[in-house]
Amino acid sequence: AQSVTQLDSHVSVSEGTPVLLRCNYSSSYSPSLFWYVQHPNKGLQLLLKYTSAATLVKGINGFEAEFKKSETSFHLTKPSAHMSDAAEYFCVVSDPGTGRRALTFGSGTRLQVQP
Amino acid sequence: EAQVTQNPRYLITVTGKKLTVTCSQNMNHEYMSWYRQDPGLGLRQIYYSMNVEVTDKGDVPEGYKVSRKEKRNFPLILESPSPNQTSLYFCASSPGLAGVYEQFFGPGTRLTVL
Repeated sequence: AQSVTQLDSHVSVSEGTPVLLRCNYSSSYSPSLFWYVQHPNKGLQLLLKYTSAATLVKGINGFEAEFKKSETSFHLTKPSAHMSDAAEYFCVVSDPGTGRRALTFGSGTRLQVQP
Repeated sequence: EAQVTQNPRYLITVTGKKLTVTCSQNMNHEYMSWYRQDPGLGLRQIYYSMNVEVTDKGDVPEGYKVSRKEKRNFPLILESPSPNQTSLYFCASSPGLAGVYEQFFGPGTRLTVL
C-alpha cells in the first residue's frame, strides 16, 4: 500500500528566506509524486510532478523538489519565500502498480510567510 | 476557459435529506474523481471514474453514490446524509490515469449536515 507523511503540519518563514517542506512516501512500486498547493478558499493547483524522469523537478513559482529513492523522500524547496506563497501544500503519491489509479494525499503543511 | 465547475459551492442541510452535488468539466477528460477534505487528513478519494459508465470506489465510499452517464458530468449523491459527512468536497478531472496526468480541481463544495 502507498502512503505519504508530511513531516511538518505548520512551517513559518520570513519573506526572502528559503522554504523547505518535507515529505516521505511509501510505495511498493516506482511511484509518481506530486506537490499541490491550496490557497485559502481555493481549489488545488499542481506545483510540480515526478514521473521517473529527472530526479530534480522544477515547478511553477520557483519551487522545486528532489526525488531521493534511497531516503524515500520528495522534499519541496524554494530559495526565497514570497508573501504570496502562504498556503497549504500537499504531497501526493500515486502507485500505478496497485491498479487502483488513485492518489494518496499527505495531511498537508500550512506555510506562513512573515513580512 | 478550461475548468471544473461544482454546484452548489455551499450547502447546509439536515440529516437524511437526499442531496446531489454536481460536477462538470469542459476539457473532454476521461478520468474524474471526488475527494473529501477534512482537517489534518488531507484529501481522501470517495469515488472515481475512468470513463462513461465506469466507476469504482476510492478510500471512503460509504454513504455516497456516483454516476457517469456523460463524459463531462460526474455528480456526487448523498442518499441519506449524516453529520459525519460534513466536509469540503472537491471534484477533479484529468486526461487519463490520475497517477500520470495532472488533475484539475474544482473550487470545492462546503457541506454542512445538521
